[in-house]
Amino acid sequence: KQEVTQIPAALSVPEGENLVLNCSFTDSAIYNLQWFRQDPGKGLTSLLLIQSSQREQTSGRLNASLDKSSGRSTLYIAASQPGDSATYLCAVPRLGGGGADGLTFGKGTHLIIQP
Amino acid sequence: NAGVTQTPKFRVLKTGQSMTLLCAQDMNHEYMYWYRQDPGMGLRLIHYSVGEGTTAKGEVPDGYNVSRLKKQNFLLGLESAAPSQTSVYFCASSPTSGIYNEQFFGPGTRLTVL
Repeated sequence: KQEVTQIPAALSVPEGENLVLNCSFTDSAIYNLQWFRQDPGKGLTSLLLIQSSQREQTSGRLNASLDKSSGRSTLYIAASQPGDSATYLCAVPRLGGGGADGLTFGKGTHLIIQP
Repeated sequence: NAGVTQTPKFRVLKTGQSMTLLCAQDMNHEYMYWYRQDPGMGLRLIHYSVGEGTTAKGEVPDGYNVSRLKKQNFLLGLESAAPSQTSVYFCASSPTSGIYNEQFFGPGTRLTVL
Protein backbone atom coordinates (compact mmCIF):
# COMPACT_ATOMS: atom_id res chain seq x y z
CA LYS A 1 0.00 0.00 0.00
CA GLN A 2 1.36 3.40 -0.98
CA GLU A 3 2.10 5.69 1.95
CA VAL A 4 3.16 9.32 1.72
CA THR A 5 4.88 11.27 4.48
CA GLN A 6 5.49 15.01 4.54
CA ILE A 7 8.04 16.69 6.77
CA PRO A 8 7.77 19.08 8.50
CA ALA A 9 4.09 19.11 9.42
CA ALA A 10 4.29 22.84 10.08
CA LEU A 11 6.80 25.58 9.30
CA SER A 12 6.94 29.27 10.15
CA VAL A 13 9.65 31.46 8.60
CA PRO A 14 10.27 35.17 8.02
CA GLU A 15 9.51 36.67 4.64
CA GLY A 16 12.32 36.41 2.08
CA GLU A 17 13.74 33.08 3.20
CA ASN A 18 14.29 30.16 0.85
CA LEU A 19 12.71 26.97 2.12
CA VAL A 20 12.40 23.27 1.35
CA LEU A 21 9.40 21.03 1.91
CA ASN A 22 9.93 17.28 1.93
CA CYS A 23 7.80 14.38 0.71
CA SER A 24 8.61 10.67 0.88
CA PHE A 25 6.68 7.71 -0.55
CA THR A 26 6.95 3.95 -0.14
CA ASP A 27 6.15 2.56 -3.62
CA SER A 28 8.56 3.87 -6.25
CA ALA A 29 6.69 2.30 -9.20
CA ILE A 30 5.19 5.66 -10.14
CA TYR A 31 5.32 7.75 -13.30
CA ASN A 32 4.70 11.12 -11.69
CA LEU A 33 4.26 13.10 -8.50
CA GLN A 34 2.04 16.11 -7.99
CA TRP A 35 2.38 19.06 -5.59
CA PHE A 36 -0.72 21.02 -4.55
CA ARG A 37 -1.45 24.13 -2.56
CA GLN A 38 -4.53 24.43 -0.33
CA ASP A 39 -5.68 27.69 1.22
CA PRO A 40 -7.91 27.56 4.33
CA GLY A 41 -11.45 26.50 3.44
CA LYS A 42 -10.59 26.17 -0.24
CA GLY A 43 -9.94 23.47 -2.79
CA LEU A 44 -6.60 22.18 -4.03
CA THR A 45 -4.61 24.07 -6.63
CA SER A 46 -2.14 22.06 -8.70
CA LEU A 47 1.33 23.60 -8.52
CA LEU A 48 3.57 21.16 -10.32
CA LEU A 49 3.40 17.70 -11.88
CA ILE A 50 6.80 16.04 -12.12
CA GLN A 51 7.18 13.20 -14.55
CA SER A 52 9.56 10.44 -13.45
CA SER A 53 11.68 11.04 -16.55
CA GLN A 54 12.09 14.76 -15.72
CA ARG A 55 13.47 14.62 -12.17
CA GLU A 56 12.84 18.40 -11.85
CA GLN A 57 10.08 20.86 -12.69
CA THR A 58 10.03 24.64 -12.22
CA SER A 59 7.23 27.20 -12.07
CA GLY A 60 8.20 30.75 -11.10
CA ARG A 61 9.73 30.68 -7.61
CA LEU A 62 8.84 27.00 -7.16
CA ASN A 63 11.12 24.11 -8.02
CA ALA A 64 10.22 20.48 -7.41
CA SER A 65 12.50 17.49 -7.69
CA LEU A 66 11.78 13.78 -7.78
CA ASP A 67 14.12 10.91 -6.89
CA LYS A 68 12.22 7.68 -7.44
CA SER A 69 15.06 5.44 -6.32
CA SER A 70 15.09 6.98 -2.85
CA GLY A 71 11.32 7.57 -2.71
CA ARG A 72 11.67 11.31 -2.16
CA SER A 73 10.54 14.62 -3.57
CA THR A 74 11.33 18.17 -2.47
CA LEU A 75 9.53 21.43 -3.13
CA TYR A 76 11.84 24.43 -3.04
CA ILE A 77 10.29 27.89 -2.57
CA ALA A 78 12.60 30.79 -3.29
CA ALA A 79 12.30 34.24 -1.70
CA SER A 80 9.17 33.37 0.27
CA GLN A 81 6.31 35.88 0.52
CA PRO A 82 3.34 36.17 2.93
CA GLY A 83 1.08 35.13 0.04
CA ASP A 84 2.84 31.75 0.02
CA SER A 85 1.21 30.93 3.36
CA ALA A 86 -0.92 27.82 2.81
CA THR A 87 -0.85 24.05 3.24
CA TYR A 88 1.26 22.23 0.67
CA LEU A 89 0.28 18.68 -0.27
CA CYS A 90 2.26 16.02 -2.07
CA ALA A 91 0.46 13.19 -3.93
CA VAL A 92 1.52 10.09 -5.85
CA PRO A 93 -0.41 7.48 -7.87
CA ARG A 94 -2.31 5.28 -5.44
CA LEU A 95 -1.62 1.98 -7.20
CA GLY A 96 1.57 3.01 -8.98
CA GLY A 97 1.72 3.91 -12.64
CA GLY A 98 0.30 7.21 -13.82
CA GLY A 99 -2.52 7.74 -11.33
CA ALA A 100 -5.61 6.76 -13.32
CA ASP A 101 -6.72 4.84 -10.20
CA GLY A 102 -6.44 7.93 -8.03
CA LEU A 103 -3.84 9.52 -5.79
CA THR A 104 -2.48 8.92 -2.30
CA PHE A 105 -1.84 12.16 -0.43
CA GLY A 106 0.48 13.17 2.36
CA LYS A 107 -1.00 15.05 5.30
CA GLY A 108 0.62 18.26 4.19
CA THR A 109 3.00 20.94 5.42
CA HIS A 110 1.26 23.98 6.95
CA LEU A 111 3.43 26.95 5.95
CA ILE A 112 3.30 30.41 7.51
CA ILE A 113 5.41 33.23 6.09
CA GLN A 114 5.78 36.05 8.60
CA PRO A 115 5.77 39.60 7.12
CA ASN B 1 -13.89 27.48 -18.54
CA ALA B 2 -15.37 26.99 -15.08
CA GLY B 3 -13.13 23.95 -14.51
CA VAL B 4 -14.47 21.59 -11.82
CA THR B 5 -17.57 22.75 -9.96
CA GLN B 6 -19.33 21.16 -6.99
CA THR B 7 -22.90 21.51 -5.74
CA PRO B 8 -23.79 22.26 -2.96
CA LYS B 9 -21.00 24.12 -1.12
CA PHE B 10 -22.39 23.38 2.34
CA ARG B 11 -24.96 20.94 3.68
CA VAL B 12 -26.21 19.80 7.09
CA LEU B 13 -27.97 16.43 7.34
CA LYS B 14 -29.53 14.46 10.13
CA THR B 15 -28.45 10.87 10.72
CA GLY B 16 -30.27 8.57 8.31
CA GLN B 17 -31.06 11.20 5.69
CA SER B 18 -29.88 10.83 2.11
CA MET B 19 -28.33 13.27 -0.31
CA THR B 20 -26.46 13.53 -3.60
CA LEU B 21 -23.39 15.64 -4.28
CA LEU B 22 -22.92 16.80 -7.86
CA CYS B 23 -19.58 17.30 -9.58
CA ALA B 24 -19.37 18.82 -13.05
CA GLN B 25 -16.36 19.50 -15.28
CA ASP B 26 -16.19 21.36 -18.59
CA MET B 27 -12.70 20.27 -19.63
CA ASN B 28 -13.80 17.10 -21.46
CA HIS B 29 -11.79 15.01 -18.99
CA GLU B 30 -12.20 11.25 -19.09
CA TYR B 31 -11.34 10.47 -15.46
CA MET B 32 -13.19 11.74 -12.40
CA TYR B 33 -12.68 11.18 -8.66
CA TRP B 34 -14.32 11.72 -5.29
CA TYR B 35 -12.12 12.27 -2.20
CA ARG B 36 -12.90 13.11 1.39
CA GLN B 37 -10.65 15.21 3.64
CA ASP B 38 -10.65 14.78 7.39
CA PRO B 39 -8.41 16.42 10.02
CA GLY B 40 -5.39 14.26 10.74
CA MET B 41 -6.28 11.80 7.95
CA GLY B 42 -5.51 13.75 4.81
CA LEU B 43 -7.38 13.17 1.58
CA ARG B 44 -8.66 9.68 0.85
CA LEU B 45 -10.19 8.33 -2.37
CA ILE B 46 -13.83 7.21 -2.14
CA HIS B 47 -14.76 6.21 -5.70
CA TYR B 48 -13.56 7.03 -9.17
CA SER B 49 -14.53 6.69 -12.83
CA VAL B 50 -12.36 6.15 -15.88
CA GLY B 51 -15.14 6.94 -18.33
CA GLU B 52 -18.84 7.48 -18.89
CA GLY B 53 -20.85 4.59 -17.47
CA THR B 54 -17.95 3.16 -15.42
CA THR B 55 -17.20 3.43 -11.70
CA ALA B 56 -14.76 1.77 -9.32
CA LYS B 57 -14.13 1.66 -5.57
CA GLY B 58 -11.34 3.60 -3.95
CA GLU B 59 -9.84 3.38 -0.49
CA VAL B 60 -12.95 4.23 1.60
CA PRO B 61 -16.08 3.37 -0.45
CA ASP B 62 -18.39 2.04 2.28
CA GLY B 63 -21.59 4.05 2.75
CA TYR B 64 -21.31 5.81 -0.62
CA ASN B 65 -22.55 5.16 -4.14
CA VAL B 66 -21.63 6.91 -7.36
CA SER B 67 -22.88 7.27 -10.92
CA ARG B 68 -21.36 8.62 -14.14
CA LEU B 69 -24.24 8.78 -16.61
CA LYS B 70 -22.74 11.70 -18.51
CA LYS B 71 -19.04 12.29 -19.19
CA GLN B 72 -19.09 15.74 -17.60
CA ASN B 73 -20.89 14.76 -14.38
CA PHE B 74 -19.97 12.51 -11.45
CA LEU B 75 -22.50 12.06 -8.64
CA LEU B 76 -21.75 10.93 -5.09
CA GLY B 77 -24.67 9.58 -3.06
CA LEU B 78 -25.12 8.97 0.64
CA GLU B 79 -28.11 6.66 1.15
CA SER B 80 -28.25 6.83 4.95
CA ALA B 81 -25.92 9.48 6.35
CA ALA B 82 -23.91 8.80 9.51
CA PRO B 83 -21.95 11.23 11.73
CA SER B 84 -18.74 9.51 10.54
CA GLN B 85 -19.44 10.92 7.08
CA THR B 86 -19.02 14.48 8.35
CA SER B 87 -16.18 15.69 6.16
CA VAL B 88 -15.15 17.94 3.29
CA TYR B 89 -15.72 16.25 -0.06
CA PHE B 90 -13.62 17.08 -3.08
CA CYS B 91 -14.17 16.12 -6.68
CA ALA B 92 -11.32 16.00 -9.18
CA SER B 93 -10.91 15.29 -12.87
CA SER B 94 -8.02 14.29 -15.09
CA PRO B 95 -7.47 13.97 -18.83
CA THR B 96 -6.28 10.74 -20.36
CA SER B 97 -2.80 12.01 -21.06
CA GLY B 98 -1.14 8.66 -21.28
CA ILE B 99 0.88 7.96 -18.18
CA TYR B 100 0.85 11.46 -16.71
CA ASN B 101 -2.54 12.14 -15.18
CA GLU B 102 -2.59 15.60 -13.61
CA GLN B 103 -5.64 16.03 -11.40
CA PHE B 104 -7.68 19.23 -11.10
CA PHE B 105 -9.86 19.79 -8.06
CA GLY B 106 -13.17 21.47 -7.32
CA PRO B 107 -13.77 23.86 -4.39
CA GLY B 108 -15.25 21.20 -2.11
CA THR B 109 -18.51 20.50 -0.29
CA ARG B 110 -18.55 20.78 3.49
CA LEU B 111 -20.99 18.20 4.90
CA THR B 112 -22.07 17.93 8.52
CA VAL B 113 -24.13 14.97 9.71
CA LEU B 114 -25.82 15.49 13.08
